[in-house]
Amino acid sequence: NAGVTQTPKFRILKIGQSMTLQCAQDMNHNYMYWYRQDPGMGLKLIYYSVGAGITDKGEVPNGYNVSRSTTEDFPLRLELAAPSQTSVYFCASRASGGTYEQYFGPGTRLTVT
Amino acid sequence: AQTVTQSQPEMSVQEAETVTLSCTYDTSESDYYLFWYKQPPSRQMILVIRQEAYKQQNATENRFSVNFQKAAKSFSLKISDSQLGDAAMYFCAYRSAAGTYKYIFGTGTRLKVLA
Repeated sequence: NAGVTQTPKFRILKIGQSMTLQCAQDMNHNYMYWYRQDPGMGLKLIYYSVGAGITDKGEVPNGYNVSRSTTEDFPLRLELAAPSQTSVYFCASRASGGTYEQYFGPGTRLTVT
Repeated sequence: AQTVTQSQPEMSVQEAETVTLSCTYDTSESDYYLFWYKQPPSRQMILVIRQEAYKQQNATENRFSVNFQKAAKSFSLKISDSQLGDAAMYFCAYRSAAGTYKYIFGTGTRLKVLA
């Protein structure tokens, strides 16, 4: 039972480079989320999705893009990486209704230099 | 807009003792959900306990319990018989019961457990 998986675990980017953070869940959850966690801070919502083909912006969407072509996958794209995007990125998913519990992936630590 | 405040950046507790972590929130809604998540050094976020605002009874999960004061908009976490494995960052989170799909997280409290 994999739950929510994220790749890569660590990545160093140079300013201006682009990359995609992968997220997949095997629980058939409709809702998926991308957060970033800066040092000493809580989680800030970047984008979320309520189902395949439907995405929406969170609190801090600038510099990021997402897509949701399948229920399982929710990749996060960083275009033109900037030092301000140095952070730990978490993907999460949850089922419709019920307890509203979010299940988190292990995170990706990204450094932009 | 809703906000979640954790005013204790760091707390320490002796092993086997009890500690209470504070969380306050601001909302104009009457129906919502509150959560405490634990983030150990592995960074994995783990749900500790959940409270539905419409329930007056405080949630409990083994050694973890909450003191939910709806009128005061307070949601504290009590950890009894603290263990070394409880050492982690603890985040309080809020979710509206309707409309928005967004969760609001506090800035976290780092709990140290002293042997």
